[in-house]
Amino acid sequence: DQQVKQNSPSLSVQEGRISILNCDYTNSMFDYFLWYKKYPAEGPTFLISISSIKDKNEDGRFTVFLNKSAKHLSLHIVPSQPGDSAVYFCAASDPNFGNEKLTFGTGTRLTIIP
Amino acid sequence: GAGVSQSPRYKVAKRGQDVALRCDPISGHVSLFWYQQALGQGPEFLTYFQNEAQLDKSGLPSDRFFAERPEGSVSTLKIQRTQQEDSAVYLCASSLVDQGLAGDNEQFFGPGTRLTVL
Repeated sequence: DQQVKQNSPSLSVQEGRISILNCDYTNSMFDYFLWYKKYPAEGPTFLISISSIKDKNEDGRFTVFLNKSAKHLSLHIVPSQPGDSAVYFCAASDPNFGNEKLTFGTGTRLTIIP
Repeated sequence: GAGVSQSPRYKVAKRGQDVALRCDPISGHVSLFWYQQALGQGPEFLTYFQNEAQLDKSGLPSDRFFAERPEGSVSTLKIQRTQQEDSAVYLCASSLVDQGLAGDNEQFFGPGTRLTVL
């Protein structure tokens, strides 16, 4: 049972344009959401997060939007740069199981085309 | 080092062999996590330590999997009698504090150990 879903395994975007990565979840108890970025042969690195009490969080070129009613979140990267090419994982935590346990999606491979 | 380190980076085991995977967390980090990432999947939670105490091992797939952190720093994930379905990347992560919002408690990941069971 995949509680966090990233339905697009890959995405290609022209350099300078906006990249939009999507994530859906089924567990309504999730209250904190995170995006991680992963380069080959490296571990995931934290990118940006959002609490369920907010609907938007922005950090430089990265913005995460949360739509609780739709159980959907998205990561916007603008403008996209070649160094953004990586696999992006959406993750969520459920306070009923302790916020230490993260549930990850399957990832979306983003390729930025120069 | 400044980050989480894991060794070995790659391990090839014959089916039935026991393996031990090591994680060195960031110095001073209280919490330590193990995840399993199968090919084409996201990381899946295995177990969690707060200092030397294993507080959650609900994600361990079978009793062949055992993790320890005896002195509250280095951790070892041991897999006994490995099987082909154990082939995956095993990721270790650490965070500074114990419970709390994940955002206040960012998990820093190591590069992982890629285990291949033949």
